[in-house]
Amino acid sequence: GQSLEQPSEVTAVEGAIVQINCTYQTSGFYGLSWYQQHDGGAPTFLSYNALDGLEETGRFSSFLSRSDSYGYLLLQELQMKDSASYFCAVGRDDKIIFGKGTRLHILP
Amino acid sequence: DTGVSQDPRHKITKRGQNVTFRCDPISEHNRLYWYRQTLGQGPEFLTYFQNEAQLEKSRLLSDRFSAERPKGSFSTLEIQRTEQGDSAMYLCASSPRSEETQYFGPGTRLLVL
Repeated sequence: GQSLEQPSEVTAVEGAIVQINCTYQTSGFYGLSWYQQHDGGAPTFLSYNALDGLEETGRFSSFLSRSDSYGYLLLQELQMKDSASYFCAVGRDDKIIFGKGTRLHILP
Repeated sequence: DTGVSQDPRHKITKRGQNVTFRCDPISEHNRLYWYRQTLGQGPEFLTYFQNEAQLEKSRLLSDRFSAERPKGSFSTLEIQRTEQGDSAMYLCASSPRSEETQYFGPGTRLLVL
């Protein structure tokens, strides 16, 4: 089976940095993805790690360690518009399995 | 291209009725996925197509659910004899090559009374 664990909620202050962790139990997966979803909206792709290490895209970075079955999403210079749910997902057998999501609350 | 579109955006139906949803993917994408999402949960995989071929269907999906992609372009998802437990957001996504980057439509929110 496959499972992903991520915190249900995280709170941070505007302008700060926040890290959302994701641990997984799956085998033979291709990579770890991160998606953002605002209330009432559809998930939107943020980043993908096929290899171990850090991927940077603007204010967002994502990290993967296959040996630790662990990854994280790092959001820098937080803005109020970053308030959303963030999902980690593993790709395997041509489909994506999503975690339950982390609700990010940002305080002014 | 304006992205993935879904129709209708909202659907209210009575228990026992059949409903059909449509998804139009990004035109050059050959992979199309259907997901179901309930409040506080991540999207749950239902089924996916590569071109017109349905390659996998979730074992969690009952026989009341069926999906088609007849010409490898748009897809339909039909739910027969709807139950209250079918109330959810139904999301469609398309992908150009493989599973790692998926582009989601706005979803169809279904409420079964």
